[in-house]
This record gives sequence, structure tokens and C-alpha cells, in this order.
Amino acid sequence: GQSLEQPSEVTAVEGAIVQINCTYQTSGFYGLSWYQQHDGGAPTFLSYNALDGLEETGRFSSFLSRSDSYGYLLLQELQMKDSASYFCAGGEAAGNKLTFGGGTRVLVKP
Amino acid sequence: NAGVTQTPKFQVLKTGQSMTLQCAQDMNHEYMSWYRQDPGMGLRLIHYSVGAGITDQGEVPNGYNVSRSTTEDFPLRLLSAAPSQTSVYFCASSYPGLDYNEQFFGPGTRLTVL
Repeated sequence: GQSLEQPSEVTAVEGAIVQINCTYQTSGFYGLSWYQQHDGGAPTFLSYNALDGLEETGRFSSFLSRSDSYGYLLLQELQMKDSASYFCAGGEAAGNKLTFGGGTRVLVKP
Repeated sequence: NAGVTQTPKFQVLKTGQSMTLQCAQDMNHEYMSWYRQDPGMGLRLIHYSVGAGITDQGEVPNGYNVSRSTTEDFPLRLLSAAPSQTSVYFCASSYPGLDYNEQFFGPGTRLTVL
């Protein structure tokens, strides 16, 4: 099985940079995904790291280090609309059977 | 494309009642999954399927059954509802692949068991 740990809450101001860390323990691992979920909504995919290193998608970047069982999501140039919960998720098989972390609630203040 | 659709959006059941949550996708995805999300928590995998006729248990399968007779549909059955099953249920679908791992989620079904 898998377990993923991430901080419960982060607060930052507009324009700032936020890093959400995710550490995992797993018996099998196919990569680390990140999802965003606004209150009352469904999770939406942000990024996926199959290999070690940094993946950049616009203002969001994600990093994975398999040797450290660690990854992070970097949110740059924060906007009010980025206020949401962010989940890391580990896959035991390609494309399926995800285990999610408990989520990090990001609150962006003016 | 409609993507992943779920019905109903809201449901209230009494303890002991049974019901089926519907999930359909029109993206020809092989993989489909059911998750539940309790307030303030992450998603937990209930059951998943890697193709028509193939299903397997996730982290919290007790009290739920699934079947996958077609690629498009993946219904979730609650056999005898309990208050502990009050939750938001999300269905998701995806392509298999090592380089790309996006799961597409439906809008969710909000279930209350009294």
C-alpha cells in the first residue's frame, strides 16, 4: 500500500510563491500526480512526474525525487483563483489505482 | 464530449436501503475508478476497473459492489446503506500509460445516509 503526507494548510498573499511538499511511503510506485480541487468541485489534474526532476506547466511546477520519496508542487505568481485544496497522489499502476494525500488547503489573501 | 458524467448529483437514503450510483464516460478510456471523499479529507479508492469485465478492490471496498459490462459505464452499488457511507462519491476515468497519468473526474454524487 501507499501513504502520502502533505501539510494541511498554507496561507499566502497574491503574487507570492507557495511550495507544497509531499512525502510518500509505498510498496510500489509509478509516479506522483497533483490535483486541484475548489470547494464543492471535482478534482482536476495539474501535473504528473513519472521520472525524477522538475515539470513546468505555466505558473505551476512539480518536482519528484524517488531516492528521497519526496515531491513538491510550486505555485508561482499566486492569484485569488488559486485558493483551493491541492492533493498529491501516488500511482501503483500506470493510469490507475491512485492513493491520495490528505490535501493542502491554500488560502490566497489580497 | 460530455467527459465523465455521474447521476444523481444528490441523494438521501435511509439506513439499510440500497441504490446504484451511475457513472459514464465518452472518451473511450480503459481505466475507471470510484473514490469517496469525506469532509476535509483526501479521496479514497473504493473499486477500480482496467477494462470491460475486469474489476478489483481499492482501499475501502466493503459495502460496495461494481461491475463493468461496457467500456463506457461503471456503476457503483451500495448494498445496504449505513451512516458511515455518507460522503461525496467521485468517478474517474483515464488512459493507461507510463508517461501520462491524468484522471478525469466526474462532478460527484453527494450522498447522505440517515
